[in-house]
Amino acid sequence: EVQLVQSGAEVKKPGESLKISCKGSGYDFFGYWIGWVRQMPGKGLEWMGLIYPDSSETRYSPSFQGQVTFSADLSISTAYLRWSSVKPSDTAMYYCARFGGPRFAVHYFDFWGQGTLVTVPS
Amino acid sequence: QSVLTQPPSVSAAPGQKVTISCSGSSSNIGNNFVTWYQQLPGAAPKLLIFENNKRPSGIPDRFSGSKSGTSATLDINGLQTGDEADYYCGAWDSSLSAGVFGGGTKLTVL
Repeated sequence: EVQLVQSGAEVKKPGESLKISCKGSGYDFFGYWIGWVRQMPGKGLEWMGLIYPDSSETRYSPSFQGQVTFSADLSISTAYLRWSSVKPSDTAMYYCARFGGPRFAVHYFDFWGQGTLVTVPS
Repeated sequence: QSVLTQPPSVSAAPGQKVTISCSGSSSNIGNNFVTWYQQLPGAAPKLLIFENNKRPSGIPDRFSGSKSGTSATLDINGLQTGDEADYYCGAWDSSLSAGVFGGGTKLTVL
């Protein structure tokens, strides 16, 4: 059974660094892109980008380029989303998801993590 | 402002049919495949339709998708109260070299 399990909720102060995780199981973790999706409170889904764990190749949305960093550790089948300095505007639910398509033009996330709530009080 | 445009809300009675539209451009829907997701209240999104009109295993055939030009639609037949959720379309945007989502449509089953 394919599963993506994310780390727990985080409360951070502005300016602090943060790294959240997404552990895959039930499939060959190295062979699928992992995507990150933001959902701000009461708002829609925002595509942040993708990482290919086998090579650590990344694709960032222009909106998130330079704001966050994706990484992966193949040895523990885990992908990470990192901020060097969080802001109140980073308060959101963050989802990881497995990219299931054979190529980018066939874009879909077939399995999702449960989400990690990040809160940065102002 | 989302790249893909969806109506904010739709509603219909149980047993009826509802259609949710998703409008884009040649750089996304026009030349790439469309995906639909269902997000039940308090839950993570779930894949509903991929490659314009394919259903993952376990998704009932009450849900169907189609695409024409730069627009796509999600049809839900035989509405049930359990279908109340937010629905999102998505696609790859070749100009942005990024994935894009619609703003989401809240379905109310009256």
